[in-house]
Amino acid sequence: EVQLVESGGGLVQPGGSLRLSCAASGFRFSSFWMSWVRQAPGKGLQWVANIKPDGTEIYYADSVRGRFTISRDNAKNSLYLQMNSLRVDDTAVYYCARDIVWGPGSLVTVSS
Amino acid sequence: DSAMTQSPSTLSALVGDRVTITCRASRDISTWLAWYQQKPGKAPQVLVYEASRLQSGVPSRFSGSGSGTEFTLTISSLQPDDFATYYCQEYSAVFGPGTRVEMK
Repeated sequence: EVQLVESGGGLVQPGGSLRLSCAASGFRFSSFWMSWVRQAPGKGLQWVANIKPDGTEIYYADSVRGRFTISRDNAKNSLYLQMNSLRVDDTAVYYCARDIVWGPGSLVTVSS
Repeated sequence: DSAMTQSPSTLSALVGDRVTITCRASRDISTWLAWYQQKPGKAPQVLVYEASRLQSGVPSRFSGSGSGTEFTLTISSLQPDDFATYYCQEYSAVFGPGTRVEMK
């Protein structure tokens, strides 16, 4: 069974940093594009970033480019999202996704 | 960057109505499109993948069609459990802004 489980969310002050992790299992992780998706409270779904299976292509939403870094470790079946210079409007539930399969999400709250 | 649009943004309908939601991509995405349903306080659930394939367990009143840049999600006979917000998404990329289906 395909499973994705996020971790690393929490409360952080504006300007701070946080690193999300996603543990993948049940499929050949190294063969799939992976992405991060978020949803702010009361808002729609927003794609954040995605990464090619071998990590050689990476794309970001304009709203996070230059502040967030997506990466992966295929040996550990893991996906990461390093979030720097966090803003209040980055507050959201962050989901790790492989195509249409999503993890349960990890809440990131940016507040002073 | 690619973009997705959806119409309408809000749809008012009665139980039993046939409902159609349209999603347009700014570039040709073949059939790499999924539809999600989301209810308040819940995570999104996939309904349709690869534009027209029904996810296991999804009622047959839901159907998807289209390819290239124009796609539709149809609910053949709206049920009380279907009042929710619907999103389209290019695989591993941008989402549409959502369509809220509300009771008329």
